[in-house]
Amino acid sequence: RKEVEQDPGPFNVPEGATVAFNCTYSNSASQSFFWYRQDCRKEPKLLMSVYSSGNEDGRFTAQLNRASQYISLLIRDSKLSDSATYLCVVNQDDKIIFGKGTRLHILP
Amino acid sequence: AAGVIQSPRHLIKEKRETATLKCYPIPRHDTVYWYQQGPGQDPQFLISFYEKMQSDKGSIPDRFSAQQFSDYHSELNMSSLELGDSALYFCASSLRLADNYEQYFGPGTRLTVT
Repeated sequence: RKEVEQDPGPFNVPEGATVAFNCTYSNSASQSFFWYRQDCRKEPKLLMSVYSSGNEDGRFTAQLNRASQYISLLIRDSKLSDSATYLCVVNQDDKIIFGKGTRLHILP
Repeated sequence: AAGVIQSPRHLIKEKRETATLKCYPIPRHDTVYWYQQGPGQDPQFLISFYEKMQSDKGSIPDRFSAQQFSDYHSELNMSSLELGDSALYFCASSLRLADNYEQYFGPGTRLTVT
């Protein structure tokens, strides 16, 4: 089983819709979790850290489920500018592990 | 706010040449990471430094070496370049002392080996 797994997509979603991604991790001792977004040929940008209690930032909500070992990202009222690759990142024993990313295309 | 600075932004080298990539972390950040990202791939972790000491090593080839200097900037040295080394090289920094592993990425150096 890969350490961090994501559905590569692409997810083709109409503008205004809600979309959700999951990311599973294999090491139950993982300590920190993050979502990054990456636009084509650009650097990954930190979207949000994922806390045990879940957290929300505007249209974005991230949740952590330790029992099932996954994190999720929910995007509400999606915009064209949300089109990007979303990378799940997990810190395991001070080792940062990236998922392979989920591609999202918001359709006008 | 100051971000991670990388130089050069673009670099073209021939096979068997050497290259040096530079990274200037966000001020007061104590940890630097290097990543390699090939076309259509996720970032592959190469190496990291915490307080000027190597802290973790990933899939960095033996032909590559890196170090972090007293001013916390880091350099990735690449020798005997191969065509397969063509990629985007990102540097990221974080403040590990705060027990915070949020990494902030630089804009990357695009290396093309011909």
